[in-house]
Order: sequence, then structure tokens, then C-alpha cells
Amino acid sequence: KAGVTQTPRYLIKTRGQQVTLSCSPISGHRSVSWYQQTPGQGLQFLFEYFSETQRNKGNFPGRFSGRQFSNSRSEMNVSTLELGDSALYLCASSLEDRDNSPLHFGNGTRLTVT
Amino acid sequence: AQKVTQAQTEISVVEKEDVTLDCVYETRDTTYYLFWYKQPPSGELVFLIRRNSFDEQNEISGRYSWNFQKSTSSFNFTITASQVVDSAVYFCALLTLESSGDKLTFGTGTRLAVRP
Repeated sequence: KAGVTQTPRYLIKTRGQQVTLSCSPISGHRSVSWYQQTPGQGLQFLFEYFSETQRNKGNFPGRFSGRQFSNSRSEMNVSTLELGDSALYLCASSLEDRDNSPLHFGNGTRLTVT
Repeated sequence: AQKVTQAQTEISVVEKEDVTLDCVYETRDTTYYLFWYKQPPSGELVFLIRRNSFDEQNEISGRYSWNFQKSTSSFNFTITASQVVDSAVYFCALLTLESSGDKLTFGTGTRLAVRP
């Protein structure tokens, strides 16, 4: 079974631009969540989608948004990029309820904002 | 509020040594789940173990073992006879189930370097 796939692997953007990251979950997984990893803040939860609906949201500004499609694939969008948005963005999928199934993470997208 | 503390930022050991990674958590919930993840240099997070708050049995999986103690709110991870391939950043995480949506909180990670 293929793992969680995130594209692109690396991305370089300039301040003020917007970016869209993509995540394809493991086949059969319906929950997709996104995390931001930075050296200073560690791993922080962005949001979680289940059946095309945002089920949970972390403490990030509205510039960070996402969506999930009917095939469970998810996209994350960041608008008006800031230097501090440079990070590794990780996507994770799980079968249904996070308390009953572990998260499977992708390799991440490393975003650099210049 | 939930909190996970991994006080050890970096640990360096020589191959075949045993090493314990500490994890201390804080939560007021009685039902919660604890996890350990491994992040090798390639970046992805690899699931290692999940433990719920009602199961204090320690677990052993090969060279890995976990010691869950509710009395001290700790969920420590021991690697026996470490190998170079164990070099990675290890994250402890706490999942709590809330009416507003479950919340997964990660520790800041412990970077383990195993030298040959």
C-alpha cells in the first residue's frame, strides 16, 4: 500500500506570494491533518479534515487554509507568505478516528520564503 | 492546557549502548493517548507506539521498550543496544479528546545520534 504522498517536496517562494501544498493520503484513510514543523516552535497542528469537512483547527492565522476533496486528497494554502512561514509542512492521514488509529505521515514539503 | 515536555534536546551515544528518551506530559483529561514518533533525516514521521491512559502496561518491541507511569505523568522510551540507524529525532505526543475537537500536542523532540 502506498504511503502518504506530499507534493512538492521542496518549494521556494517570496514574501507576499501564496502557495498550495498537496497531500494524498493512504488509500482508505479518510482523515487528513496538517502540521507545521519549525526549529523554534517544533511540531504544531494546523488543521484536520474528515469527509471534506474541517473537523479541527489549530491556532494559526486565517492566511492558512485547507480543503479536502471527495477522494480524501487534501490541499493546504498559505496566502500572503511571510518569512516566518518557512518550515517543513507535514501531512498525516488516518483511517477515521485519530484515537483509534495512528497517524501516518508523509515526507513533508519544505517551504522556504525569501 | 495540554503540554508535552522532552527535556533532552540532544543525546549522543556509542553504538550498542542503551539509551532512554524522556517524555513528561500534562493534561487534566482522564482519557488520553500517548505516542512516540521517529523522524529520520528524510523528514517523514514514523509511528512507533500508541498507548491509552487506561493501559499502564509497559511494552517491548524488539530493541524498543516503553515505560508508562501515570503517577509521574511520564512515558519514557528506551532503545536497547542502539544502532546507527536509530539516529533520528524522536517525538512524544499527547492526544486528548475534547468537545471542540481532539487535540494532538507534540513535544519539541529529542535528537539522538548513535556513533559507530
